[in-house]
Amino acid sequence: QKEVEQDPGPLSVPEGAIVSLNCTYSNSAFQYFMWYRQYSRKGPELLMYTYSSGNKEDGRFTAQVDKSSKYISLFIRDSQPSDSATYLCAMRGSGGSNYKLTFGKGTLLTVNP
Amino acid sequence: DARVTQTPRHKVTEMGQEVTMRCQPILGHNTVFWYRQTMMQGLELLAYFRNRAPLDDSGMPKDRFSAEMPDATLATLKIQPSEPRDSAVYFCASGLGVREGQISGNTIYFGEGSWLTVV
Repeated sequence: QKEVEQDPGPLSVPEGAIVSLNCTYSNSAFQYFMWYRQYSRKGPELLMYTYSSGNKEDGRFTAQVDKSSKYISLFIRDSQPSDSATYLCAMRGSGGSNYKLTFGKGTLLTVNP
Repeated sequence: DARVTQTPRHKVTEMGQEVTMRCQPILGHNTVFWYRQTMMQGLELLAYFRNRAPLDDSGMPKDRFSAEMPDATLATLKIQPSEPRDSAVYFCASGLGVREGQISGNTIYFGEGSWLTVV
């Protein structure tokens, strides 16, 4: 079992839909949880990060972490064609030399106009 | 506009040839990462430098891969000899670590990648 599991999709939604992207993980030491967005033929860019459990909102994006279930989510409200990209979850432990991010394989999202 | 710069953007080479990829981290960043991305494995960490010193290269095949930072503005990843299974996108990323192992704000910035095809 990989440490981080992410459904690769592809996921296709109409413009304006609410999108839900998810990852599960097995390492209970993970404390920092991130979502990266990667456009075609570009490098990943950090979208949001959260520490431990809870919710974080930034505009149309909401990140949720449920450590008891080892489950994280990214919600996109009022999705736009410009949101079409691959979304990667990433996570790491805290303290010491826990710099190493473990990534999910990414979910390919297409938002159709 | 600060960004991580990688060269070459695209490289097609024959099996057995040496490949060198270069990265210029964002000015002032003291941590540099090399990642490899494939459809099968996703993003994998190959090597990590802090203040130019290699701290972790456990993800890198030692027999053919080597990573160095000749100075603070240049990181290199070399494959010799290259093999078809090395075909992937290689990303360099940089960040600012304020304490050992810590990245400020958990933010690392990726370059646009070097797309390598070994035939």
